[in-house]
Amino acid sequence: DAGVIQSPRHEVTEMGQEVTLRCKPISGHDYLFWYRQTMMRGLELLIYFNNNVPIDDSGMPEDRFSAKMPNASFSTLKIQPSEPRDSAVYFCASSDYWGGAFFGQGTRLTVV
Amino acid sequence: RKEVEQDPGPFNVPEGATVAFNCTYSNSASQSFFWYRQDCRKEPKLLMSVYSSGNEDGRFTAQLNRASQYISLLIRDSKLSDSATYLCTCAYSGAGSYQLTFGKGTKLSVIP
Repeated sequence: DAGVIQSPRHEVTEMGQEVTLRCKPISGHDYLFWYRQTMMRGLELLIYFNNNVPIDDSGMPEDRFSAKMPNASFSTLKIQPSEPRDSAVYFCASSDYWGGAFFGQGTRLTVV
Repeated sequence: RKEVEQDPGPFNVPEGATVAFNCTYSNSASQSFFWYRQDCRKEPKLLMSVYSSGNEDGRFTAQLNRASQYISLLIRDSKLSDSATYLCTCAYSGAGSYQLTFGKGTKLSVIP
């Protein structure tokens, strides 16, 4: 298996623009997580899905953030409109029940 | 109170030294525990699971103390390549939910 695949790896955008991050989890994993990592706050859970259904989105910072998982092999995290404080590394991870999560390489987002 | 707390370090140790990291967690209902390793500008990678009986993987030993709610990682005969940030992780599952909570990490630098 190729592991968790995220795209793009880097994104630089202007404030106010829409940003869409993409993730392909490991086949057979039931859980998909979106995390954000900054130096100040570490790894923060934004939202996670079980069998494509969002279970907990309490970590999503604002209504500007939304996530979908239309099928078992694809998820998106969208920020609209983006702001400079959204600049961070966004990780997608997938897991089977009881196992630890496996991370994608992340998307480094810079909003200017 | 933070859910998972770690000493941020940095721990600067010479090659060949033994180094130990501790981590405390606040959710007594946590059921699974893991250590992750994260290299600079890379994604976290699962290093090892942590079991109540303690477990060893080569030079790495992980221990769990449920009564005191802490987890430890011991690295023996440290190598330059061990330099990284080590993240402690607790997992809680129940009622259809599964949450992985990460500490902010402990930075290790192994010096020649």
